[in-house]
Amino acid sequence: KAGVTQTPRYLIKTRGQQVTLSCSPISGHRSVSWYQQTPGQGLQFLFEYFSETQRNKGNFPGRFSGRQFSNSRSEMNVSTLELGDSALYLCASSLGLGDGYYEQYFGPGTRLTVT
Amino acid sequence: AQSVAQPEDQVNVAEGNPLTVKCTYSVSGNPYLFWYVQYPNRGLQFLLKYITGDNLVKGSYGFEAEFNKSQTSFHLKKPSALVSDSALYFCAVREGVSGTYKYIFGTGTRLKVLA
Repeated sequence: KAGVTQTPRYLIKTRGQQVTLSCSPISGHRSVSWYQQTPGQGLQFLFEYFSETQRNKGNFPGRFSGRQFSNSRSEMNVSTLELGDSALYLCASSLGLGDGYYEQYFGPGTRLTVT
Repeated sequence: AQSVAQPEDQVNVAEGNPLTVKCTYSVSGNPYLFWYVQYPNRGLQFLLKYITGDNLVKGSYGFEAEFNKSQTSFHLKKPSALVSDSALYFCAVREGVSGTYKYIFGTGTRLKVLA
């Protein structure tokens, strides 16, 4: 089975621009979560989607948004980029949200640099 | 809210020696605890989990973790370290209720195994 894929792998943007990141989960996985990883803050949870619905959200401003499509692929969008948005953005998929579904499988991440 | 703490930013150990990476948790109710590893330029990889049952959990690559309820700890261990174990290790706890789970990660511990 193919793993979680994220595109693009690297991205350089300018302050004020917007960016869209894409994540394709493992086949059959219906839950997709997004995390922001920075050296100072570690992994911070952004949001989780299941069956095209946002089920959980972290403490990030409204500039950060996401969506999930019917094939479980997910995108996250960051508008009006700030320098502090520079980070590694990780996507993780799992089978679902029920009690039997525990492990998350992570993609390699998208490295976003804002200049 | 649930949380995990990794008190050591970095752990150095000689190859062949046993290693321990520490994690303490704060949860209400039964804890669901995880260890992940991150190699350079890669996403996180699942190592092992504690849900219930035996306090000693065995995982991938020869790693194991000991759940200690009285000390609220979930330390990661390996009897004999390899240079290839050098990586960033994250402890995580699952919080929420069925259908709205999210994962809270520690700040990470960098393990350096010296040849």
